[in-house]
Amino acid sequence: DQQVKQNSPSLSVQEGRISILNCDYTNSMFDYFLWYKKYPAEGPTFLISISSIKDKNEDGRFTVFLNKSAKHLSLHIVPSQPGDSAVYFCAASPDSNYQLIWGAGTKLIIKP
Amino acid sequence: DTGVSQDPRHKITKRGQNVTFRCDPISEHNRLYWYRQTLGQGPEFLTYFQNEAQLEKSRLLSDRFSAERPKGSFSTLEIQRTEQGDSAMYLCASSLTGGRDEQYFGPGTRLTVT
Repeated sequence: DQQVKQNSPSLSVQEGRISILNCDYTNSMFDYFLWYKKYPAEGPTFLISISSIKDKNEDGRFTVFLNKSAKHLSLHIVPSQPGDSAVYFCAASPDSNYQLIWGAGTKLIIKP
Repeated sequence: DTGVSQDPRHKITKRGQNVTFRCDPISEHNRLYWYRQTLGQGPEFLTYFQNEAQLEKSRLLSDRFSAERPKGSFSTLEIQRTEQGDSAMYLCASSLTGGRDEQYFGPGTRLTVT
């Protein structure tokens, strides 16, 4: 059973526009959510996180929104840049700094 | 600080052979994690250590898998009697204890079992 789902395997966005990546989860015990970015031949790199006590967290061009009632979170990247082209993973945890449950990832392609 | 390193980066082995991977975490990090990632999927948790103590093991970690972190620094993951289904990317991550510290990942070891 997939507890964390990223239903879009890929997304193509024009440079300068907004990229929106979505993630759904099923386990109501998850209370901490993270987004990681992964380039080919590298390990995932942490981007941004959000605790379930918040509904929004912003860091520069990256904003994560959490809708607990819908069990849905999204990552907004504004404006999108060519270097943002990567695979983005959503991960969730029922406990801090512990076993992360990951989605399958969304490949983001930024078109020049 | 050179980040998390893993060795080797690639390993090709024949079915039935044993393989061992090494992970060197960021020096001040107490926690160390092992994940497995197959094509088109996100990483799957295998096990984690706090210092030298192995505190949790996933049911994915069969008896053929063993992990150690003898001195609370580097860790090894051994797979005995490899099977073709073991072919995957094996990722190591480390983090500080306490708070909501993110995990820092190494580049991974890609295992191919022929």
